[in-house]
Amino acid sequence: EDQVTQSPEALRLQEGESSSLNCSYTVSGLRGLFWYRQDPGKGPEFLFTLYSAGEEKEKERLKATLTKKESFLHITAPKPEDSATYLCAVQSLNSGGSNYKLTFGKGTLLTVNP
Amino acid sequence: GAGVSQSPRYKVAKRGQDVALRCDPISGHVSLFWYQQALGQGPEFLTYFQNEAQLDKSGLPSDRFFAERPEGSVSTLKIQRTQQEDSAVYLCASSPLGRTRTDTQYFGPGTRLTVL
Repeated sequence: EDQVTQSPEALRLQEGESSSLNCSYTVSGLRGLFWYRQDPGKGPEFLFTLYSAGEEKEKERLKATLTKKESFLHITAPKPEDSATYLCAVQSLNSGGSNYKLTFGKGTLLTVNP
Repeated sequence: GAGVSQSPRYKVAKRGQDVALRCDPISGHVSLFWYQQALGQGPEFLTYFQNEAQLDKSGLPSDRFFAERPEGSVSTLKIQRTQQEDSAVYLCASSPLGRTRTDTQYFGPGTRLTVL
């Protein structure tokens, strides 16, 4: 069974204080790893997809990296508007052919104080 | 362009009532997914459609849950005889391509269901 564990559960930063969020995963075969941002009362908003170990993607102050066991979301010089819950999800290859559904972690609640 | 829309945004039901939740996917998207998100948790897969065909309903928690997408666009998730444990946010997502390829799932705002 696919498993995704995110840490920490909550993170509080000062504006400009860089940090990283962790996503550890266990899958039978990784088809893709996804990062989403979720604001209160809204649906998840797509950020990145990573497909293979060593891959990196960047968007503004965010950078996502991937190894064979985990992914990191690095936040550089965060601003208060970066405050949100960040969700990690995997899409796996398995013998049943259910290789399209996403398995999510519980998320990391990020708060950036001004 | 228009994203995924869901209605109603909020639904309060008395225990035992039936509810119907609607999802309008992005126009032209082949794949449609329903997820359930409990408070403080990540979304959990319920069911998957490719066009009008329901290819996977393994995540539906009981036979009180039923989903359909009769014309391959709008989808409805129906919950019969609601129970308090059904209280959650129900998220709909759509993606452009079929099951054999990896592509991004775009989520709607969700319907928050509260069962009293």
